[in-house]
Amino acid sequence: AQSVTQLGSHVSVSEGALVLLRCNYSSSVPPYLFWYVQYPNQGLQLLLKYTSAATLVKGINGFEAEFKKSETSFHLTKPSAHMSDAAEYFCAVSDWVNAGGYQKVTFGTGTKLQVIP
Amino acid sequence: EAGVAQSPRYKIIEKRQSVAFWCNPISGHATLYWYQQILGQGPKLLIQFQNNGVVDDSQLPKDRFSAERLKGVDSTLKIQPAKLEDSAVYLCASKSQGEGAGTQYFGPGTRLLVL
Repeated sequence: AQSVTQLGSHVSVSEGALVLLRCNYSSSVPPYLFWYVQYPNQGLQLLLKYTSAATLVKGINGFEAEFKKSETSFHLTKPSAHMSDAAEYFCAVSDWVNAGGYQKVTFGTGTKLQVIP
Repeated sequence: EAGVAQSPRYKIIEKRQSVAFWCNPISGHATLYWYQQILGQGPKLLIQFQNNGVVDDSQLPKDRFSAERLKGVDSTLKIQPAKLEDSAVYLCASKSQGEGAGTQYFGPGTRLLVL
C-alpha cells in the first residue's frame, strides 16, 4: 500500500531564507506525486505535481520539487521565503488501483510553515 | 471556471444529532471525493465517486456515514448520529476524467463541531 511521510510537522524559517519541506513516499510502481498548500480556513490548492516527465518540477509561487527515485523522495523547496508562504503544506501520492481501475490518493500529515520576519 | 462549492461552511451540532453537507463539483468533473481532515492531520479519503458510482468507500464508517451523488453531479455526505470524534473539516474535491495525473480541485470545506 502506498504511503507518504512528511518529516517535521512544523518548520520555521526567516523571511528570505531557503524553504525545505521533506516528503518521502512508498509505492509499488512509479507514482504521481503532488504538493498542496492550505491556507487557514481554505481548501487545498495544488502547488505542483510530478507525472513521470521531468524530475525537477516547478510550481506556483516560486516553489519547486525534485523527484528522486533512489531516495523515494519528493522534497519541496523555495530559494527565498516570503511572509505569504506561511501555510500548511501537504505531500500526496497517487497510484492506480488496478483491481478497481481508478487512482487512489494518499496524503501526508502535513507540515506547517512559519515565516519569521 | 467556477470552483468546487460546499455548504454550509460551518456547522455546530450536539452529539447524536444528524448533519448533512453538500458539494457541487466543477462542471464536467467525473470524479468526486469526500475527505475528512481532523485538526493537525492530513485529509483522509472517506469516499470516491466516479460519475454516480462508488469506487472506494473503504474508510467510510458506514454505520453512521452515508453519501450519494445523484445524476453524477452534486453530492451529499450525511452523518447520523454524530459523535464527538466526527469534529473535523469535511473537504470535497473533484477531478476531470481527462487528467491522468490526478489533479484534484478542492472546495473550501465544511467545518463541523460536535458538542
